[in-house]
Amino acid sequence: EDKVVQSPLSLVVHEGDTVTLNCSYEVTNFRSLLWYKQEKKAPTFLFMLTSSGIEKKSGRLSSILDKKELFSILNITATQTGDSAVYLCAVEVLSGTYKYIFGTGTRLKVLA
Amino acid sequence: DGGITQSPKYLFRKEGQNVTLSCEQNLNHDAMYWYRQDPGQGLRLIYYSQIVNDFQKGDIAEGYSVSREKKESFPLTVTSAQKNPTAFYLCASSMAGTEETQYFGPGTRLLVL
Repeated sequence: EDKVVQSPLSLVVHEGDTVTLNCSYEVTNFRSLLWYKQEKKAPTFLFMLTSSGIEKKSGRLSSILDKKELFSILNITATQTGDSAVYLCAVEVLSGTYKYIFGTGTRLKVLA
Repeated sequence: DGGITQSPKYLFRKEGQNVTLSCEQNLNHDAMYWYRQDPGQGLRLIYYSQIVNDFQKGDIAEGYSVSREKKESFPLTVTSAQKNPTAFYLCASSMAGTEETQYFGPGTRLLVL
């Protein structure tokens, strides 16, 4: 059975800290791995990773995929209170048709 | 503006009642998806559709039904067989088979009276 596991489940840090969120997966027919940020409603897209070892970066956020070890990390440096959210990892698989399998998310709270 | 819309924003269901959640997209995406999110949980796939007039069950399809008569629309019906329907429902779409990501609608929160 395909599965995506995120850790930690929740995390509390202070502004300025650096955090690393983990996503490991066991799926057949991997196509891509995606990171989303969810504040109150719909998840918003952060990164899509398809190739191993390539870092995607956007401001203080970065992510890397290790297809050999089947995991990805999302790194946030110099955290701000606005980074407080649930971070979701999803893996796109080809199982007859394309679909996405989501992890349970990591709830990040950044304290001022 | 291009995007995905969901309505209503909040929906109340009485015992034994079927309710339908609307999802429309004007992104010309082939694939559409319905997810359910419970408090403190990730997203669980209910149904998905890659093309018009075709759809597949996700992990938690029991008690739900869908139709895909038009490319732009993928309504979800929560039937009376779904005994615990209170949740946040998210619709998403993507261009199937490409490296484009999945885009989400704003969600519908369903509450049982």
